[in-house]
Formats: sequence, structure tokens, C-alpha cells
Amino acid sequence: GQNIDQPTEMTATEGAIVQINCTYQTSGFNGLFWYQQHAGEAPTFLSYNVLDGLEEKGRFSSFLSRSKGYSYLLLKELQMKDSASYLCAVRDSNYQLIWGAGTKLIIKP
Amino acid sequence: IAGITQAPTSQILAAGRRMTLRCTQDMRHNAMYWYRQDLGLGLRLIHYSNTAGTTGKGEVPDGYSVSRANTDDFPLTLASAVPSQTSVYFCASSDSGHTEAFFGQGTRLTVV
Repeated sequence: GQNIDQPTEMTATEGAIVQINCTYQTSGFNGLFWYQQHAGEAPTFLSYNVLDGLEEKGRFSSFLSRSKGYSYLLLKELQMKDSASYLCAVRDSNYQLIWGAGTKLIIKP
Repeated sequence: IAGITQAPTSQILAAGRRMTLRCTQDMRHNAMYWYRQDLGLGLRLIHYSNTAGTTGKGEVPDGYSVSRANTDDFPLTLASAVPSQTSVYFCASSDSGHTEAFFGQGTRLTVV
């Protein structure tokens, strides 16, 4: 079966750095996405990795290791507005997105 | 309209009633998707359409139907609603199977 695993919840302090991990087992791989979802709102796109390595975009970076079936999202200089759920999704061999349940990130002052 | 729009925003529906959730996008995206999101579970694909005139079943299609008469619209119909269909429904679109998906604001549906 296909499976995406992420921690259910994480807590971090404003100004700090946090790493959210995602492991996956899917039928084929055509890219990995990270989305941010604030409570009661729609998911919004953060990053996309299809090749191994680190993709940096401002305060957010995403890393992929295809051989390990592993990715992480790194958030630096955390702000209160970063409190949200972070969703990991993998595009499988049929080009359909398989979603993790999301990681709820709580930022404390 | 800018982006992808869903209607209604929320709805309380009696069990057994028929309901259509509307989704319209103005980005001329080929692919469109319907997901449901339940607490503790990831987004689950109900139906999808890779291009106008074609549709396909996702992970949880039972009790739902879709149509794609044109590029912009992708309505989702519940033929006879049941309480287990209480959920938040998201419509999404993407330019192709290779790019990121853009989401509508969601429809919160309660079946009683």
C-alpha cells in the first residue's frame, strides 16, 4: 500500500528553527510537495522536490532523499504566523498526489 | 473570479438528500480534483479529471459523482447523502500532472 508518515504535532519557539520530517512508501515517485494549511483555510503550496538535495526558498527549505524515501521541511526564524499544519504529499506513478495526515506546528512566544 | 472558487462555503444537509458542490477555476488548468479532509486523516482523493470531458475515480469515490463538461467547472454530486459524508471538501486544479495544485477555500458539509 501507499503510505506517507509525518509527526502529528510539533512545538517550537518563536525565532527558532524546526524540522518537520516526512517518510513515504508509494508506487512510483514523481515529486514531493509541501503545503501549509492554516486552521479553517485551504492548503497553499510551499515547495516541490523531484531530485535529491535541498531546495531553499526564503525562510523555508525542503530536502529530499529518494533512496531513503525521506524528506524534511526546515523552517528558520520562526514567526507566530507559521503556526499551521504542514502537509507532505507525493505524486505517484499515476501522477496522483498521496497525502500525509499533516503535522500541526505550534509556535510559542 | 480569481483562482478557484467553491460554493457553498458551508451546508447542513439532511440525510438522503441530493447535493451538488460547485467548483470553478479561471486559470485554464487542465487537471481538477475533489478531495475530502477529515480530522486525523490526510486529504483523500474522491474524483479527478485530467482534461475536459474525462473523469476518473480516486481513493474514495463511492457515493459521489462528477462531470467535466468544460475546462472551468468541476461539480461534485452526492446522490443521497449519508452522515459519513460529513467532511470538508476541497476542489483543486493544476496546469498538468507535473505542477503544484491550487485549492479552493473549501466547503464544510454536515450531513444530519
